Amino acid sequence: EIVMTQSPATLSVSPGERATLSCRASQSVNSNLAWYQQKPGQAPRLLIYGASTRATGIPARFSGSGSGTEFTLTISSLQSEDFAIYYCQQHNNWPPYTFGQGTKLEIK
Amino acid sequence: EVQLLESGGGLVQPGGSLRLSCAASGFNFTNYAMIWVRQAPGKGLEWVSGSSGSGTNTYYAGSVKGRFTVSRENSKNTLYLQMSSLRVEDTAVYYCAKADTSMVRKNWFDSWGQGTLVTVSS
Repeated sequence: EIVMTQSPATLSVSPGERATLSCRASQSVNSNLAWYQQKPGQAPRLLIYGASTRATGIPARFSGSGSGTEFTLTISSLQSEDFAIYYCQQHNNWPPYTFGQGTKLEIK
Repeated sequence: EVQLLESGGGLVQPGGSLRLSCAASGFNFTNYAMIWVRQAPGKGLEWVSGSSGSGTNTYYAGSVKGRFTVSRENSKNTLYLQMSSLRVEDTAVYYCAKADTSMVRKNWFDSWGQGTLVTVSS
């Protein structure tokens, strides 16, 4: 089973600033990595798949990069609605599909 | 618009059974694999099970294998999760989600339901 590790656990950033979230896989997942956003009391929402492809309707301020074992989600200019928990998920080796433990993005 | 609506959650005693349903609309249900993902209170996401679009191929996490069964009724656009021998650690919000293809293979999940809470407690 591939273990996904996200860092940091909590990230404090001011609105308008840039946020960089990291995700590491215990072995290569090629470019088969997705990112999801989850707000309190809501279901996860797909942001990025294939490491760098934005899902339908996702603003351009969200971007993903990386391959192999190291991945990054960047939010270029934080809006108030972006403060949430972010999860990465590998979609290369299955079953099982595995998720990271999440990074909470909070307002500084 | 894709809509997924879970139902069937509730309070059940350890060792008990429960069946969850996920009613889908807004897309050709048969053409897409579907999965169940759960989230224990205050915790992260855990993939539980997946079904190919036809229902022929099914997959399970090790933690639920032999206790949970995923199925689908394509004529009713509905996905099910039959849960038996429930344990306290199965307590979670259970989400159904739509995959990007008909096969359970290298999938990401582009639409999610709002979830249904399952509480296993005596």
